[in-house]
Amino acid sequence: QKEVEQDPGPLSVPEGAIVSLNCTYSNSAFQYFMWYRQYSRKGPELLMYTYSSGNKEDGRFTAQVDKSSKYISLFIRDSQPSDSATYLCAMSAKGGANSKLTFGKGITLSVRP
Amino acid sequence: DTAVSQTPKYLVTQMGNDKSIKCEQNLGHDTMYWYKQDSKKFLKIMFSYNNKELIINETVPNRFSPKSPDKAHLNLHINSLELGDSAVYFCASSQGTGVTEAFFGQGTRLTVV
Repeated sequence: QKEVEQDPGPLSVPEGAIVSLNCTYSNSAFQYFMWYRQYSRKGPELLMYTYSSGNKEDGRFTAQVDKSSKYISLFIRDSQPSDSATYLCAMSAKGGANSKLTFGKGITLSVRP
Repeated sequence: DTAVSQTPKYLVTQMGNDKSIKCEQNLGHDTMYWYKQDSKKFLKIMFSYNNKELIINETVPNRFSPKSPDKAHLNLHINSLELGDSAVYFCASSQGTGVTEAFFGQGTRLTVV
């Protein structure tokens, strides 16, 4: 079993839909949780960052972490064609210089106009 | 100004050759990383450096040698290139204290023929 599992996709939704992206993980030491967005032929860019359990909202994006279930989610409200990209979840057990991010495989989202 | 920049963006080379990829960050971060993204988009850490010191060295063939001349630069030299080395290589940086958010470069697409 991989440390981080992500729904493989791809996912196609109409514009305006609510999108739910999910990852599960097996390493209970993970404390830092991130979502990255990667456009085609570009580097990943940080979208949301959460420490430990809880919710975080930023505009149309909401990140949720449930450490008891080892489950994280990213919700996108009122999805736009510009949201079409690959979304990667990433996690880390430590902060600081010894940290390393473990990524999910990514899910490609397409938002149809 | 590009925060994390890599050169070259594309690299096509023959098996057996030696090649280098350069990375520079102007964010003032003290930790830098090399990640490899394979054809299935799976992103995996290779190395990390903190203030020019090697911190993380995942199970990477010793044909790969990172070098950090100062904390703003992290280069990757690859000897005796193999077909399986074809991938996109991403440089990233983070502050190295507390949070683990990493900022990525645009990637170097390496093709070994």
